[in-house]
Amino acid sequence: DTGVSQNPRHKITKRGQNVTFRCDPISEHNRLYWYRQTLGQGPEFLTYFQNEAQLEKSRLLSDRFSAERPKGSFSTLEIQRTEQGDSAMYLCASRLEGSPAGQYFGPGTRLTVT
Amino acid sequence: DQQVKQNSPSLSVQEGRISILNCDYTNSMFDYFLWYKKYPAEGPTFLISISSIKDKNEDGRFTVFLNKSAKHLSLHIVPSQPGDSAVYFCAASGGSGYALNFGKGTSLLVTP
Repeated sequence: DTGVSQNPRHKITKRGQNVTFRCDPISEHNRLYWYRQTLGQGPEFLTYFQNEAQLEKSRLLSDRFSAERPKGSFSTLEIQRTEQGDSAMYLCASRLEGSPAGQYFGPGTRLTVT
Repeated sequence: DQQVKQNSPSLSVQEGRISILNCDYTNSMFDYFLWYKKYPAEGPTFLISISSIKDKNEDGRFTVFLNKSAKHLSLHIVPSQPGDSAVYFCAASGGSGYALNFGKGTSLLVTP
C-alpha cells in the first residue's frame, strides 16, 4: 500500500499526558499537512511542511502543539499536557508540489482524552 | 469564521438520478477548489478539483462547476450509485499547494 499511513489509529490518554502521532506520507510527496477534525466539522488546518521546513505553524492550536519532519520524510505531531478538548481525529495529508491533484489524506489518528 | 460553507447537512437521492452538492465561500483570495469524499473511519478521499481560471471540470461521473462572481461551486454526480453514499466536503485554498479550508460536509445517501 503506497498511501499515507498514520500511527497509531487510536489513542486513549489521560488528561495531562503527552501524546505523539506519526505520519508517513506518500514517498515522493514533498509537502505534508496536519489537520484536526472534530465531530460535525470539516478538517481544520494546523501546520504544513515542504520537505523538512515547516512553512506555516501559526494555526497550531496552542503552544502545547508541535510538529516535526526532521528528514523530510515522516512527520510527528506532539500534544503536551493533553486536555479533554484535544479529543479529535488528527489527519495527515501529503502532496507533490506542482501536481494538479489534491492533498492525499491518511486514515487519521483518533485521540480520546479522559 | 467559516470561510467555506455547505448549507445542506444532508441529501437523499435515488439511484440513477443526479446528486447536486453545493458550496459557498466568502474569501475572494481562494483560487483553488476541491471536493473530497469521506467514509466513516477513513480519511477524506480526493475526488475532483478546479482552479479559478476554469468554470467546469469533469471526471467521469463527477463534474464540478465554479461560479466566481457568486462565490459558489457545486458537485454533480451523474448517475448516482449507492456506493456514492458518504460525506462530501468542499475545500478551498489560496493556491494549489496551500492549506485547505473545509466546509462542514454534506452527507449524501443514495437509495436503491
